[in-house]
Amino acid sequence: DQQVKQNSPSLSVQEGRISILNCDYTNSMFDYFLWYKKYPAEGPTFLISISSIKDKNEDGRFTVFLNKSAKHLSLHIVPSQPGDSAVYFCAASETNTGNQFYFGTGTSLTVIP
Amino acid sequence: DAGVTQSPTHLIKTRGQQVTLRCSPKSGHDTVSWYQQALGQGPQFIFQYYEEEERQRGNFPDRFSGHQFPNYSSELNVNALLLGDSALYLCASSLRGGPDSGNTIYFGEGSWLTVV
Repeated sequence: DQQVKQNSPSLSVQEGRISILNCDYTNSMFDYFLWYKKYPAEGPTFLISISSIKDKNEDGRFTVFLNKSAKHLSLHIVPSQPGDSAVYFCAASETNTGNQFYFGTGTSLTVIP
Repeated sequence: DAGVTQSPTHLIKTRGQQVTLRCSPKSGHDTVSWYQQALGQGPQFIFQYYEEEERQRGNFPDRFSGHQFPNYSSELNVNALLLGDSALYLCASSLRGGPDSGNTIYFGEGSWLTVV
């Protein structure tokens, strides 16, 4: 049972435009969420996190939005750069039970120069 | 500040053999988790070690076992390898009860295991 879903396997965006990556989850007990970026042949690199006590968190060009009622989060990248081309994973955990994270299947982002 | 380091980076094993993968956590971290990532999938949680004990376990058979040492480094052992065990094995470290940064986990580069 996939508790975290990324329904878009791929996304293409022009350089300088906004990239929006989406993630849905089913477990209402999840209260901590992470986004990772992964290049081929490398491990995932942490990008940004958000706790359920917030609905938005920003870090430079990256902003994560959390809609708890819809069990949905999104990652916005503005402006998108060719170096952002990678696979993006969202992950969720229920902190009271430790930090076992459940990952989506990833979205492959291509930023076109 | 050393990040999470894993070894070996690549290895090939024969079905039925055993494999040991190693991980050193990020400096200052005391908790190690192991994940399996098959092609086209997201990482799947195998188990987590803290204070040299297995604290949580995902839906993996007993063929998958681990160990954590006093210096917080960890090993993942897989016995009786199956073709389906071919995957990228990721080690992630974190600091239990960490600061406001929450329970963010940091990954190593992974160990690519191919079972033939």
